[in-house]
Amino acid sequence: QKEVEQDPGPLSVPEGAIVSLNCTYSNSAFQYFMWYRQYSRKGPELLMYTYSSGNKEDGRFTAQVDKSSKYISLFIRDSQPSDSATYLCATEYDAGKSTFGDGTTLTVKP
Amino acid sequence: DAEITQSPRHKITETGRQVTLACHQTWNHNNMFWYRQDLGHGLRLIHYSYGVQDTNKGEVSDGYSVSRSNTEDLPLTLESAASSQTSVYFCASSETAAPGELFFGEGSRLTVL
Repeated sequence: QKEVEQDPGPLSVPEGAIVSLNCTYSNSAFQYFMWYRQYSRKGPELLMYTYSSGNKEDGRFTAQVDKSSKYISLFIRDSQPSDSATYLCATEYDAGKSTFGDGTTLTVKP
Repeated sequence: DAEITQSPRHKITETGRQVTLACHQTWNHNNMFWYRQDLGHGLRLIHYSYGVQDTNKGEVSDGYSVSRSNTEDLPLTLESAASSQTSVYFCASSETAAPGELFFGEGSRLTVL
């Protein structure tokens, strides 16, 4: 079993839709949870970062962590074509080392 | 602006050859990492370093080595390239005081024929 499992997608939505991206993790000791965005043929870039449980909002993006169910979510409101990318969830498990989900590819159609 | 650069961006080599991928960062970060990204496997950690002269094996280190002689550089060497090492390789760096905040390079696409 992988430590971080991510809904595989791909996901295709119309512009303006609300997008929900989801992951589960297996180790209850994980404390730091991240979402990275990766455009085609580019390196991942950090989008959101949360510590422990709760919500964190940044503009149209909301990251949610539920430690009781070991569930990580990213919500995108009013999705735009520029949001089309692969989204990777990740947790840090030890001093800078992160484990990643396989990614969900999102396409937002105009 | 501080950045992390990888070279070469694309390389084609033959089975059995030694290959070195370069990674250079100007953030003065202590932590540096090499990941490979493959369809169906996501990003997997190859090697990592927490500072000069420090190197450690990651999840998929067989057939790879790294060295850290200064803060800025962490070259990745494939001792004898194999077709199974065809992949996209990403270098990343982070600051110890900022857990989880990895800064990635643009990637090096390696094809082993």
